[in-house]
Amino acid sequence: EDQVTQSPEALRLQEGESSSLNCSYTVSGLRGLFWYRQDPGKGPEFLFTLYSAGEEKEKERLKATLTKKESFLHITAPKPEDSATYLCAVLPRGKGSARQLTFGSGTQLTVLP
Amino acid sequence: EPEVTQTPSHQVTQMGQEVILRCVPISNHLYFYWYRQILGQKVEFLVSFYNNEISEKSEIFDDQFSVERPDGSNFTLKIRSTKLEDSAMYFCASSRTAHYEQYFGPGTRLTVT
Repeated sequence: EDQVTQSPEALRLQEGESSSLNCSYTVSGLRGLFWYRQDPGKGPEFLFTLYSAGEEKEKERLKATLTKKESFLHITAPKPEDSATYLCAVLPRGKGSARQLTFGSGTQLTVLP
Repeated sequence: EPEVTQTPSHQVTQMGQEVILRCVPISNHLYFYWYRQILGQKVEFLVSFYNNEISEKSEIFDDQFSVERPDGSNFTLKIRSTKLEDSAMYFCASSRTAHYEQYFGPGTRLTVT
């Protein structure tokens, strides 16, 4: 069974204080790992896709990296508007067409001004 | 920028009633999904749909649930006889291919009383 574990559950940072969020996964063959941002009462907003170990993607203050067992979302000099829940999800390899994403519980990030 | 839309944003229904949740996926996407998120819990996969048929479904997606693509733009989720435990946010998503990122709609909050 595919499993995704995110840590920490919650993180409070001062504006400008860089940190990393962790996503550990167990999957029977990884097709892709996805990071999403979710604001309260809203749908997940796509951030990054990572397909293979060693891959890195960047967008503004965010950088996502991938190893064979985990992914990190690095936040550099965060601003209050980066406050949200960050979700990690894995897409397994397998037969068939459309595949289901398995999500972690998320890390709730609060950036204080 | 194209986006997934969902209606209604909030639906209140009585236990035992039928509800239909509606989604308009991104126009050039071929794969469609429904997920749900019970308050404070993980986003959970319900069903995926491709080429006018169900590709995968989870254990949650029992005989009370059905999906349909009634025309070239809409994608619906029907719950035949709602239960209290069906109360959740329901998200529609779509993707261009089976292995690309899934884009989520804003969700429908379903409240069963």
